[in-house]
Amino acid sequence: NAGVTQTPKFQVLKTGQSMTLQCAQDMNHEYMSWYRQDPGMGLRLIHYSVGAGITDQGEVPNGYNVSRSTTEDFPLRLLSAAPSQTSVYFCASSYRGQGANEKLFFGSGTQLSVL
Amino acid sequence: RKEVEQDPGPFNVPEGATVAFNCTYSNSASQSFFWYRQDCRKEPKLLMSVYSSGNEDGRFTAQLNRASQYISLLIRDSKLSDSATYLCVVKGEGSYIPTFGRGTSLIVHP
Repeated sequence: NAGVTQTPKFQVLKTGQSMTLQCAQDMNHEYMSWYRQDPGMGLRLIHYSVGAGITDQGEVPNGYNVSRSTTEDFPLRLLSAAPSQTSVYFCASSYRGQGANEKLFFGSGTQLSVL
Repeated sequence: RKEVEQDPGPFNVPEGATVAFNCTYSNSASQSFFWYRQDCRKEPKLLMSVYSSGNEDGRFTAQLNRASQYISLLIRDSKLSDSATYLCVVKGEGSYIPTFGRGTSLIVHP
């Protein structure tokens, strides 16, 4: 079982460059989301989606775009990278439901550095 | 005030010790509660859900106190491999979006 596949694992960008972080899940999860994690700040929600064609902003959406054209894929686009976007990024997905179905599955993370 | 608050620690304990973490949440309508574990530079993984009556999984015991709006995690007989950050997670009824605490760091030493 692949679970949540997130690529790349590492990326170095120059200020102003754009890039896309890929996230794919093979569990038919309705909910997908992107977090960034910075030292001392915990996980902060960037964008999320509750199904194909539906996306919404989280706590820290500025500078990022998302789309959800299929159930499986939820890419995160950095439009014009800034040093403040240096962080570890995690994609996560889950079913909609209660109890065990609420378990979040995370990708293995992307360490992004913007110079 | 942050919705989910945890003592960041670190909690530094010897092998074999019992250690407990608390987490408080501000939204009284919260319905689902979890503890996740995150190893250094790795993704978070579900450790256990927290049920109203309390629940146990081996050396780990989770409890929920709705009246005081906190959940707890007790680890008995600590192992070196328990060293990690423990994240408290809370969800509202019918909500997709979990709210994460900033995590409590545990270091178990020989």
